Amino acid sequence: DAGVIQSPRHEVTEMGQEVTLRCKPISGHDYLFWYRQTMMRGLELLIYFNNNVPIDDSGMPEDRFSAKMPNASFSTLKIQPSEPRDSAVYFCASSPGGWYRTEAFFGQGTRLTVV
Amino acid sequence: AQTVTQSQPEMSVQEAETVTLSCTYDTSESDYYLFWYKQPPSRQMILVIRQEAYKQQNATENRFSVNFQKAAKSFSLKISDSQLGDAAMYFCAYRGGDTDKLIFGTGTRLQVFP
Repeated sequence: DAGVIQSPRHEVTEMGQEVTLRCKPISGHDYLFWYRQTMMRGLELLIYFNNNVPIDDSGMPEDRFSAKMPNASFSTLKIQPSEPRDSAVYFCASSPGGWYRTEAFFGQGTRLTVV
Repeated sequence: AQTVTQSQPEMSVQEAETVTLSCTYDTSESDYYLFWYKQPPSRQMILVIRQEAYKQQNATENRFSVNFQKAAKSFSLKISDSQLGDAAMYFCAYRGGDTDKLIFGTGTRLQVFP
């Protein structure tokens, strides 16, 4: 398996624009996590899914952020409208379910810069 | 709510020496997992070691070992025979057995000097 794949690797956008980050989890994994990493706040859990269903979105900062998982092999994190304070590295991670739901495997991250 | 605390923002060690990174956590769950992840400058998150809470024996992976103190809710990482390639950010993480949330501490930046 190629691992968790995120796209794009880098994104630069202007304030007010819509940004969509994409993630393809490892095949067969039941859990998908979205994280945001900044120097000030570290690694924050934004939302996670189990079998394509959002389980906990309490970390989503505000209504400008939304996440979907239309099927087991694809998820998106959308920011609309984007603001400079959204600049961060966004990670997607996936993990197996059941007895094997231990560690998560991470993608390479998307570095988002909002100017 | 579960929390993970890493009180050492930065640590340094001489090559070939031993260093210990600290981590404490808070939870009311009885079943959970603890992890240490390494993030080198490439920003890739790499699993270093894993500990199941129900196991009393401390996990080891080559030069990496943990000191898991369940009653004290402490989970430290010991790196023996440190190498230049160990220089990275190290994150302690907790995953609940009931909630399945995977949450991280704020990280410790480890520098390794020749």
